[in-house]
Amino acid sequence: RKEVEQDPGPFNVPEGATVAFNCTYSNSASQSFFWYRQDCRKEPKLLMSVYSSGNEDGRFTAQLNRASQYISLLIRDSKLSDSATYLCAVPNAGNMLTFGGGTRLMVKP
Amino acid sequence: DVKVTQSSRYLVKRTGEKVFLECVQDMDHENMFWYRQDPGLGLRLIYFSYDVKMKEKGDIPEGYSVSREKKERFSLILESASTNQTSMYLCASSLDGGQNQPQHFGDGTRLSIL
Repeated sequence: RKEVEQDPGPFNVPEGATVAFNCTYSNSASQSFFWYRQDCRKEPKLLMSVYSSGNEDGRFTAQLNRASQYISLLIRDSKLSDSATYLCAVPNAGNMLTFGGGTRLMVKP
Repeated sequence: DVKVTQSSRYLVKRTGEKVFLECVQDMDHENMFWYRQDPGLGLRLIYFSYDVKMKEKGDIPEGYSVSREKKERFSLILESASTNQTSMYLCASSLDGGQNQPQHFGDGTRLSIL
């Protein structure tokens, strides 16, 4: 099993839709998790940190399921500007962040 | 806000040249990282450093070296550039080695080796 796995997508959704993607991880000792947003040809930017069961910031909700070892990112009322690649990052056994391959989201008018 | 600055956004070099990529952070972070990102391969860790003059190999260190003479600066060196090192290079920093610390990225350097 890969340390961190994401469905590469793309997820094609209409404006206003709710979309969710998951990120599975193998290190059961991980305590913190991060979601990054990466626009085409740009650097990843920190979107949300998750330290316990979940986190919410406006239209974005991140949730953690420790039993099944995955985190999810939910985006409500999708905007065209939400189109990007979303990377999850999880600490490995050496406390180094391991990044998933990213999930591409395309929001259509 | 954390500011991680990479010296060049775009760089074109020739095969066999020695190439230096510079990265500076202004938040007194202990840890610094160099990644490359290629389509379909995601972010791959080349080297990281957790203190001045300290360095550790990442997943793909071959063909690269690093230097950290000052806390705020982390340099990536391509000893003899080859065409398969054409890539997007990303520098990142984090406060310390604790699990709760995210990494913050620079703008990236798009390097082409001809």
